Amino acid sequence: AQTVTQSQPEMSVQEAETVTLSCTYDTSENNYYLFWYKQPPSRQMILVIRQEAYKQQNATENRFSVNFQKAAKSFSLKISDSQLGDTAMYFCAFMKLAGTASKLTFGTGTRLQVTL
Amino acid sequence: DSGVTQTPKHLITATGQRVTLRCSPRSGDLSVYWYQQSLDQGLQFLIQYYNGEERAKGNILERFSAQQFPDLHSELNLSSLELGDSALYFCASSVTAHTYEQYFGPGTRLTVT
Repeated sequence: AQTVTQSQPEMSVQEAETVTLSCTYDTSENNYYLFWYKQPPSRQMILVIRQEAYKQQNATENRFSVNFQKAAKSFSLKISDSQLGDTAMYFCAFMKLAGTASKLTFGTGTRLQVTL
Repeated sequence: DSGVTQTPKHLITATGQRVTLRCSPRSGDLSVYWYQQSLDQGLQFLIQYYNGEERAKGNILERFSAQQFPDLHSELNLSSLELGDSALYFCASSVTAHTYEQYFGPGTRLTVT
C-alpha cells in the first residue's frame, strides 16, 4: 500500500516571501502521479499542481512549482511571492493507475498561514 | 467552481439513522469518486464508479454503500449512523477511469448527534 507523509503540520510565511512544503511517499510502483491540493477555509479541494512520475522535468504553475526527486520519493511544493489568499491547508496526494481504477491517497496536510 | 455538485451541503441527523448524499459529476465525466474527511482519519478514499460500475474500493464500511445511475449521478448511502461517521464527504469526478485529474465538489458536511 502507498503512504504519503507530510511532516510539517503547520507553517507560516510572510507575504511576498517564498515557502516550501515537504512531502515524501512510499511506493513500489514505477508509474504514478503526484498532486498538491489546496483546501482554503471554504473547504473546497482545489488542484494546485500535478506531476507525472515518468517526467523528469519539475512541474510549474505560475507561482507554484515542485521539486520532484523520484529516487528519494520526495515531492515538495514551493510557493513564490506568497499571497494572503494562499492561506489554506495543503495536501500532498499520490495516485497509482491500476487498470481502470484510480484513487488518491492523501497525506495529513500542512496548514499554511500567510501573514502581512 | 469545479462543475461537480453535491447535495445537501449540510446534514444533521441522529445515531442509528440512514442518509443519502448525492453527487452530480461534471458534464461528460464518467468516473465518480467518494472521499471522507474526518479529524481523526484525515482524507480517505471510499469508492470509485465508472460508467455505472464499481471500479475501486477503499476503506468503506459495510454500513456504507454507493451506486452510479445511468445519468451518471451518484449516491452514497450511510446507514446505522454512529457519532464517528460525522465528517465532510467529498465527491470527485474525472473524464475517464484513467484520467488522473479529479475535480472535487464542495462536499457535504454530515453531523451525527
